[in-house]
Amino acid sequence: GQQLNQSPQSMFIQEGEDVSMNCTSSSIFNTWLWYKQEPGEGPVLLIALYKAGELTSNGRLTAQFGITRKDSFLNISASIPSDVGIYFCAGRGGATNKLIFGTGTLLAVQP
Amino acid sequence: GAGVSQTPSNKVTEKGKYVELRCDPISGHTALYWYRQSLGQGPEFLIYFQGTGAADDSGLPNDRFFAVRPEGSVSTLKIQRTERGDSAVYLCASSSSLAGDTQYFGPGTRLTVL
Repeated sequence: GQQLNQSPQSMFIQEGEDVSMNCTSSSIFNTWLWYKQEPGEGPVLLIALYKAGELTSNGRLTAQFGITRKDSFLNISASIPSDVGIYFCAGRGGATNKLIFGTGTLLAVQP
Repeated sequence: GAGVSQTPSNKVTEKGKYVELRCDPISGHTALYWYRQSLGQGPEFLIYFQGTGAADDSGLPNDRFFAVRPEGSVSTLKIQRTERGDSAVYLCASSSSLAGDTQYFGPGTRLTVL
């Protein structure tokens, strides 16, 4: 099935560092979403973006909906150990509510 | 319950057997989604229901996969003649009736086909 290109694939950082990850698509989306998944659990929504160019924050997280509607990025500032997990982007477009997910970014934070 | 629940949490079966996976959505949510997540990958869409009907089943990989939601609440994903390649975590999500509303995911069912 279709998956969005997400990079980097993994990141190993020190506590307190900032993190940036991005997602690109060959298709245009009307909505970009960022989820976090921890072991044994389903993805949990972090941020939703509904408009090209939109920049939205949720605490230490900031995400942007690219102008071309084919990309998005997520920044995490001042990382903490509980930020550990796999982060997925997801896009939604057209007449369907189905989500197309990215390949994921594994984040590990060293205390 | 407060969230989406899925049963069983783990299912081990033999190649060629039939399996059923169950999803209980959040109460009042009319949309229900099934995704499949292979190891090291993001979830891949299978099918979604609006009420009792399948609104989009374009992600079902072949005719061995079938899903129902007869009363517009609980859904069952059915896999016939299972193959080793069907091994994955099967995730269910639900959302309200509003188009584009947030999808809330359950913890998934880990299916292993030996």
